[in-house]
Amino acid sequence: ELKVEQNPLFLSMQEGKNYTIYCNYSTTSDRLYWYRQDPGKSLESLFVLLSNGAVKQEGRLMASLDTKARLSTLHITAAVHDLSATYFCAVARAHHGGSQGNLIFGKGTKLSVKP
Amino acid sequence: DTGVSQNPRHKITKRGQNVTFRCDPISEHNRLYWYRQTLGQGPEFLTYFQNEAQLEKSRLLSDRFSAERPKGSFSTLEIQRTEQGDSAMYLCASSPEGSGRLIGELFFGEGSRLTVL
Repeated sequence: ELKVEQNPLFLSMQEGKNYTIYCNYSTTSDRLYWYRQDPGKSLESLFVLLSNGAVKQEGRLMASLDTKARLSTLHITAAVHDLSATYFCAVARAHHGGSQGNLIFGKGTKLSVKP
Repeated sequence: DTGVSQNPRHKITKRGQNVTFRCDPISEHNRLYWYRQTLGQGPEFLTYFQNEAQLEKSRLLSDRFSAERPKGSFSTLEIQRTEQGDSAMYLCASSPEGSGRLIGELFFGEGSRLTVL
């Protein structure tokens, strides 16, 4: 059974610091996603990673994927308060019919950036 | 607003009552998903529609749950004889059929929060 584990689950950072969130998954998958969720709000898609070695960057966030290690990282550079949110990684079930949207989510990393 | 729309946003009901949630996906998206999210957890897949056909159902979707998408546009999720364990956020998402970057990328609504007393 596909499992997705994120760590840490809670992260308190100071503004200006760097940190990395880790996402491990247990079986082969061909797609990994990172989402952001603000309290009481919807999930916002951040990155879609499709291949081994994929690296994507948007602003202060950079995501990478190592399919051999079954590991993705979300790196935060010079954190600012606006990045405070919960970040989820999600992995697609491999060869799972045609839906492509049957995702297994991690429990999320609640990030708090303090001045 | 062309995003995924869900209503009601919050429903409080007594145990044993039936509730229904509605989801209007992004208009050009033919794929629609329901997920459930409980406090402190990530979303869990419930079911998937491609157009009007329900193609996947999770074992989480007990026989008290039924979802429809009668004309391939909006969808409803009904929970009969609600239990306190049904209290959760019910999220709807849609995605286009396609390839490349958008493949499987889900666009979520803001959810319908159910509280069962």
